[in-house]
Amino acid sequence: GAVVSQHPSWVICKSGTSVKIECRSLDFQATTMFWYRQFPKQSLMLMATSNEGSKATYEQGVEKDKFLINHASLTLSTLTVTSAHPEDSSFYICSAATSRETQYFGPGTRLLVL
Amino acid sequence: DAKTTQPTSMDCAEGRAANLPCNHSTISGNEYVYWYRQIHSQGPQYIIHGLKNNETNEMASLIITEDRKSSTLILPHATLRDTAVYYCIVRATGGKLIFGQGTELSVKP
Repeated sequence: GAVVSQHPSWVICKSGTSVKIECRSLDFQATTMFWYRQFPKQSLMLMATSNEGSKATYEQGVEKDKFLINHASLTLSTLTVTSAHPEDSSFYICSAATSRETQYFGPGTRLLVL
Repeated sequence: DAKTTQPTSMDCAEGRAANLPCNHSTISGNEYVYWYRQIHSQGPQYIIHGLKNNETNEMASLIITEDRKSSTLILPHATLRDTAVYYCIVRATGGKLIFGQGTELSVKP
């Protein structure tokens, strides 16, 4: 149990385009989902916390207008990277929290902006 | 959330127990100790968590000292597939998971 999926697993896009990443909890309902970013040889960095039906809470230094987060249901959250640039190239990982607050992570989405 | 200190890297022989230490001397009474691991190019995998009692599941055992200032994750029979970065994180209920640098465990044949 406690499986989280992400789609797509990797994406290549041109600079200036927007990219949407989906995160789904497959076998449980997640009131809270989280988005992380990881650069090569670095640890995970929390970007934002999203609660179903409300606006996401962004960590300091994360541009909320660039990284749009929607958590429309208890099993789906989306992250849209708007007007992507090469510096946005990274490994994006979501997690979903169970009712007991344990977080389970998705497999990640590798984004390459050319 | 309290900070944790872990060794940067460790080696372990295949089939032997891997004991991964973590210091969390500033842990508060309501903070849990969580362990995750990340195999290269994958999302982190939940291993185990505990508050003050020792915990065991099908993956590992978690030993927390009585003063709760440190803990040890034990993988009883390490395999090559256990090679990963292991993260020890302390987190209060409702708090965030803040990842440090973790311990890079290499299991060698």
